[in-house]
Amino acid sequence: GENVEQHPSTLSVQEGDSAVIKCTYSDSASNYFPWYKQELGKRPQLIIDIRSNVGEKKDQRIAVTLNKTAKHFSLHITETQPEDSAVYFCAASTFSGGYNKLIFGAGTRLAVHP
Amino acid sequence: NAGVMQNPRHLVRRRGQEARLRCSPMKGHSHVYWYRQLPEEGLKFMVYLQKENIIDESGMPKERFSAEFPKEGPSILRIQQVVRGDSAAYFCASSPEGNTEAFFGQGTRLTVV
Repeated sequence: GENVEQHPSTLSVQEGDSAVIKCTYSDSASNYFPWYKQELGKRPQLIIDIRSNVGEKKDQRIAVTLNKTAKHFSLHITETQPEDSAVYFCAASTFSGGYNKLIFGAGTRLAVHP
Repeated sequence: NAGVMQNPRHLVRRRGQEARLRCSPMKGHSHVYWYRQLPEEGLKFMVYLQKENIIDESGMPKERFSAEFPKEGPSILRIQQVVRGDSAAYFCASSPEGNTEAFFGQGTRLTVV
């Protein structure tokens, strides 16, 4: 079955620096790659997603890149702020059969220091 | 449009008791997913349901766990004879027909004592 690996497990940056989180997936049929942000004790919230027909997507300070050949995708956060501190999860799915079963990475705990 | 509603938010059960977790999907959403998150870990898929049907339960433990999504009312995740290892956060997500984005509820944090 699908397996998603995520690195690093923890990331500490200074406010204003960039942060990069990387994920690899195993199932070449995967075609949907969302990123979720989870603050302590709260629900995972979708922050950006990318589909397999696109190589890059950007939304303000957040961008995601996808390399289907290498089967990896990355989250880039620029100009980090203390409120970006949270756990970030990547996920992959093969949208088929009318449903979307997400396989998550183990998460990256991002700490942004003022 | 209220988001995905889960209740209770926190549930404490003694070993051997039953736990019932409820999930009301967003209005218009016919797909419900349950995920489990152990402390300091990622979310693991458990089961996918549509109204009155279990479509994929490949992530459900073989014993003690069951799920339903009746024609009327919320989806229920039921855990019988709970053990300490069942302590986790259980998240429900819903999506409309044909859409990929899954919206998560606030989760139910189950503690087995």
